[in-house]
Amino acid sequence: GQQLNQSPQSMFIQEGEDVSMNCTSSSIFNTWLWYKQDPGEGPVLLIALYKAGELTSNGRLTAQFGITRKDSFLNISASIPSDVGIYFCAGQWSGADGLTFGKGTHLIIQP
Amino acid sequence: NAGVTQTPKFRVLKTGQSMTLLCAQDMNHEYMYWYRQDPGMGLRLIHYSVGEGTTAKGEVPDGYNVSRLKKQNFLLGLESAAPSQTSVYFCASKSAGLGSYEQYFGPGTRLTVT
Repeated sequence: GQQLNQSPQSMFIQEGEDVSMNCTSSSIFNTWLWYKQDPGEGPVLLIALYKAGELTSNGRLTAQFGITRKDSFLNISASIPSDVGIYFCAGQWSGADGLTFGKGTHLIIQP
Repeated sequence: NAGVTQTPKFRVLKTGQSMTLLCAQDMNHEYMYWYRQDPGMGLRLIHYSVGEGTTAKGEVPDGYNVSRLKKQNFLLGLESAAPSQTSVYFCASKSAGLGSYEQYFGPGTRLTVT
């Protein structure tokens, strides 16, 4: 089964720094999504991208849907302690399909 | 409005035992999904359903069965549990409406098979 290639696997940063993570796939997707998962909880949607080349922001988060439809990135600006968690990219081909997930980026923020 | 709920939250089984995980959603969503998450891995799709009475296989369906007798419930069954099925199981639901892209996830069920 396919999983997306997500990098980096983990990040240790200082509070206030910007963060960048990305995801690549050998297959194209029609929708890219970014989720955050806190310990002991299910993933929560951060940003959804619907069109190739689209750049979308949600507060301090910005994500882009790659023009080839095979990649996406997520940036977090001015990180704060509550940004700690695991970030997953996910791709979807059509509306009813399940999601194909990356292995996650574990974000750790040092005060 | 509880969203997606899962029962139970934790369970320990012995090899060969059977059990059913229950997922319930109160958002009147047409689509429902079961995923498993193993350490260091993203979620992987087990089975899904696009409507009451319908089910389909996902990426890792072996050893599991599902049923969707009511729109709001999606059951995941393990007939004969194996240690390889030790995992955290997540249920999700999604609207079939045009422009609806978000899958809403439950809090998970942590299953250990000894």
